[in-house]
Parts: sequence; C-alpha cells; structure tokens
Amino acid sequence: DTGVSQNPRHKITKRGQNVTFRCDPISEHNRLYWYRQTLGQGPEFLTYFQNEAQLEKSRLLSDRFSAERPKGSFSTLEIQRTEQGDSAMYLCASETSVGEQYFGPGTRLTVT
Amino acid sequence: GENVEQHPSTLSVQEGDSAVIKCTYSDSASNYFPWYKQELGKRPQLIIDIRSNVGEKKDQRIAVTLNKTAKHFSLHITETQPEDSAVYFCAASIGGSYIPTFGRGTSLIVHP
Repeated sequence: DTGVSQNPRHKITKRGQNVTFRCDPISEHNRLYWYRQTLGQGPEFLTYFQNEAQLEKSRLLSDRFSAERPKGSFSTLEIQRTEQGDSAMYLCASETSVGEQYFGPGTRLTVT
Repeated sequence: GENVEQHPSTLSVQEGDSAVIKCTYSDSASNYFPWYKQELGKRPQLIIDIRSNVGEKKDQRIAVTLNKTAKHFSLHITETQPEDSAVYFCAASIGGSYIPTFGRGTSLIVHP
C-alpha cells in the first residue's frame, strides 16, 4: 500500500496518560500535516512539516501537544496528560509539490 | 485568519438530480480551493481542486467554480448517484503555506 498510513487506528486511554500516534506519509511527499477532526466538523489544522522542519506549530491546541518528524519520513504526534476533550479523530496528510493533500485513515482517540 | 463558511449543512436529492454546495472565504490572499469527500468512517479524499487563476474546472460529473471578486466557490455534482452520498468539505488556503481552512461540511444524501 503506497498511501498514507497511521497507527494505531484506535486508542483508548485514561485521563492523564500520554499517547503517541504515528504517521507514515507517501514516500515522495516532503510535506506532512496533522489535523484533528471532531464529529460534525471539518479537519482542524494542528501543525505541519517540510521534511524534518516543523514550519508551523502555533496552532497546536496546547503545550500538551507536540509533534516530531526526526528524519523527514514518518512523524509522531504526542499528547501528554490527556483530557476528555482530546477525544477526537487525529488525521495525518501528506502533500504533493502542488499542494494536493492525501489523508491517512486517522487515529481515533477516546479518553475515558 | 481565514474563515470558510459552507452551505448547506445537509442536502437531500433524488438520484439523477444535480447538487450544488457553496463556500465563501474571507482572506482575499487565498488562492487554492480543494474539495474533499468523506464517507462514513473513512478518510477525506480529494475529489477536485481549483486555483485562483482559473474560473471553472470539470472532472466528469463534478465541477468547481470560483468567483474571486465575491470570494466564493461552489461544487457542482450532476447526475447524482447513491454512491455520491457522503460529507463534502471545502477548504481554502494561501499558496506557499498551503495550510487549509476547512468548511464545516455538507452531508449529501442521494435517494435511489
């Protein structure tokens, strides 16, 4: 499968725990984006990378959220001290050189 | 920042009818306007996009029009089929950063 993949697909965690999600983009795409999607809403931009450089992180939801893309390939999104309001679908997308974005299947987070 | 309004929130049509979804944007610097289709439980999929140097683009049964002066763009689906039933999202972004702002989505229901 040459599309964008995300793991895990589902994550259930208790409030206060840390969680980490992984995204593997399409290999030839340099840009990688993270979004959050809640029910009935469009994807909400969180952050993005050009290769290993994080170019925009001011829209991460709080300082509990962080993302990395250490070698310019896969990326991870970490949420520390999870709260119930963090429950959502977390989507990753990789982007062609002309701005077309291709989404992964998402990781559904449930915080109990 | 950019603000994207999408209407209607729900659209119900009979198979074979046409469907039109409209979006407005606020930032006149926006110049890339993609549309995504998201089926229940699936990832958003790019179905068509338009750039600000073009007024209309077609791909088989779908078309997108852009009015830069009025800052609105629309998705047109002709000869609708039940498999067109999904949530459709518009987005707007400024070229260079390609950070999109999404609309809230339109749930299209095509009745056989």
